[in-house]
Amino acid sequence: TQLLEQSPQFLSIQEGENLTVYCNSSSVFSSLQWYRQEPGEGPVLLVTVVTGGEVKKLKRLTFQFGDARKDSSLHITAAQPGDTGLYLCAGDGNYQLIWGAGTKLIIKP
Amino acid sequence: EAQVTQNPRYLITVTGKKLTVTCSQNMNHEYMSWYRQDPGLGLRQIYYSMNVEVTDKGDVPEGYKVSRKEKRNFPLILESPSPNQTSLYFCASRKRGGTDTQYFGPGTRLTVL
Repeated sequence: TQLLEQSPQFLSIQEGENLTVYCNSSSVFSSLQWYRQEPGEGPVLLVTVVTGGEVKKLKRLTFQFGDARKDSSLHITAAQPGDTGLYLCAGDGNYQLIWGAGTKLIIKP
Repeated sequence: EAQVTQNPRYLITVTGKKLTVTCSQNMNHEYMSWYRQDPGLGLRQIYYSMNVEVTDKGDVPEGYKVSRKEKRNFPLILESPSPNQTSLYFCASRKRGGTDTQYFGPGTRLTVL
């Protein structure tokens, strides 16, 4: 069974600080996606990483796929209150997405 | 506008009273899924469908049924709801698999008394 462990589960930091969220597995994924979910809404795709070692940037968010395609990280630089939300990683399994449990991020002004 | 719609958005019901949550997508996607989301447990897949008349169990299928008679619709049926099915439910669709983006509906908050 493929599993994705996401950490930390909860993170509350001050505006302007940096943070990293991790998504780890013992399984290899052909691709991995990061989603962000706001209260009362469904998750929305932020990025898909496909190649081992790939780094993608989305403004202040940097996503990295591990060389072995078993892990991924999301780094936010100079976090802002608008970054508050639930961040979810999902790996491409056979016909299904394998989901991490999510990281609830709160950025305090 | 490309979207996934689900209804109702909120539902309070009683144990044993059959209910259906509808889901529809207008993107001609082949893959559709139902998830439930509970605090601390993340998104858990209930059922998924890879195409019309093709459905399969996800991780937590007990107590649920689905059907896929048309490509755009994927209703979730609770024949005899129980309190442990109180949850936030999401329908989702994507073109196929792999790197395709998964689009989520707005969610249905179900409470079973």
